[in-house]
Amino acid sequence: SQTIHQWPATLVQPVGSPLSLECTVEGTSNPNLYWYRQAAGRGLQLLFYSVGIGQISSEVPQNLSASRPQDRQFILSSKKLLLSDSGFYLCAWEKGRPGANVLTFGAGSRLTVL
Amino acid sequence: AQSVAQPEDQVNVAEGNPLTVKCTYSVSGNPYLFWYVQYPNRGLQFLLKYITGDNLVKGSYGFEAEFNKSQTSFHLKKPSALVSDSALYFCAVRESSGANNLFFGTGTRLTVIP
Repeated sequence: SQTIHQWPATLVQPVGSPLSLECTVEGTSNPNLYWYRQAAGRGLQLLFYSVGIGQISSEVPQNLSASRPQDRQFILSSKKLLLSDSGFYLCAWEKGRPGANVLTFGAGSRLTVL
Repeated sequence: AQSVAQPEDQVNVAEGNPLTVKCTYSVSGNPYLFWYVQYPNRGLQFLLKYITGDNLVKGSYGFEAEFNKSQTSFHLKKPSALVSDSALYFCAVRESSGANNLFFGTGTRLTVIP
């Protein structure tokens, strides 16, 4: 069966420090991978998606970047965190052509920037 | 452009009573519609989806949703609410053309009162 892992689960970082959140999927190959951010409150915003190694699409210009160094690994990074980067970051995957597939989400990484 | 509206931030219902969580959507073509549930500090869990066919879709934990094309709605329902149904519910839409972005509503917090 397929599983998705995110780490760290919780992170407290000072403003201006770097960030690296990691997401890995097991039990499948060539998944589509997604990073969403859930700001305080509830709304979900798509940040990045990837349909293959090295292929990254950004939905919203921001202080963050994403990379996909391996087929089942998706990394969210920042060189210098801002207060506004605080939030709950969710990684998700799906198999096949986007459309009717169900996105499966990880447990999330909560980032607090102080 | 795609969008999803969940007009109610909060829904309260007594245990054993029927519940409805409302969702309306806007897409250019035919929609793929989804409902997800989120428990505190967790990722999103898939409940059900509408792709095509029967307008009434049945999903996990006794939930169902009705697709209404003329009203562009996809309301989530359950005949008898449980206290354990208390959570944050998200409606999401994707264009059937295969766009990567799964657009989420802002979420509705359901509280079932014992």
